[in-house]
Amino acid sequence: QVQLVESGGGVVQPGRSLTLSCAASGFSFRGYGMHWVRQAPGKGLEWVAGIHHDGKEFYGDSLKGRLSISRDNSKSTLYLQISSLRGDDTALYYCARGDRSFFDFWGQGTPVTVSA
Amino acid sequence: DIQMTQSPSSLSASLGDRVTITCRASQAISIWLAWYQQKPGKAPRSLIYAASDLQSGVPSRFSGSGSGTEFTLTITSLQPEDFATYYCQQYHSYPLTFGGGTKVEVK
Repeated sequence: QVQLVESGGGVVQPGRSLTLSCAASGFSFRGYGMHWVRQAPGKGLEWVAGIHHDGKEFYGDSLKGRLSISRDNSKSTLYLQISSLRGDDTALYYCARGDRSFFDFWGQGTPVTVSA
Repeated sequence: DIQMTQSPSSLSASLGDRVTITCRASQAISIWLAWYQQKPGKAPRSLIYAASDLQSGVPSRFSGSGSGTEFTLTITSLQPEDFATYYCQQYHSYPLTFGGGTKVEVK
């Protein structure tokens, strides 16, 4: 079955960088677009970034310029690097499989807390 | 960017009720709309894509309709496991955007 397992979250000081990972299994990873969606505490869902199966990258407006999404098809792993972290980046970051850019499977999320 | 507006933001309903949630897009998105269900402490779950196609394994009491700028999610005969927050999402164009959510609570 499809499994997405995020890792790499934690408590980070403002201004630092962080790389999140999402290990995928149960499907042909190289054939799917993949995305990151975040949810701040008590708030709604916000799309962060996506990468198509062909490697084309897309970014949301709120973190533009501070993000880099990438994928390693040989490892079936998705990555998200966030730089210059700020307090309002505190959120649960979900990895999601993007079949035609809607999200048919989601991981359980990795929490990121930005705090001094 | 395409703005997605859901209404209501919350509603109270009883078991067996018919519930309708509306999602409006700030510009036409054809049928490129998805619906998700999220329970507290859990990841979202895909319910509907392409405005009206039911995701595999989703009960038939869930249905979606609409095209262009106005969409609805309907739950016929609300069940205990349906109390949750529901989100719409457009995938007509980037950046992908979600509605603000509708919390369905017990009356």
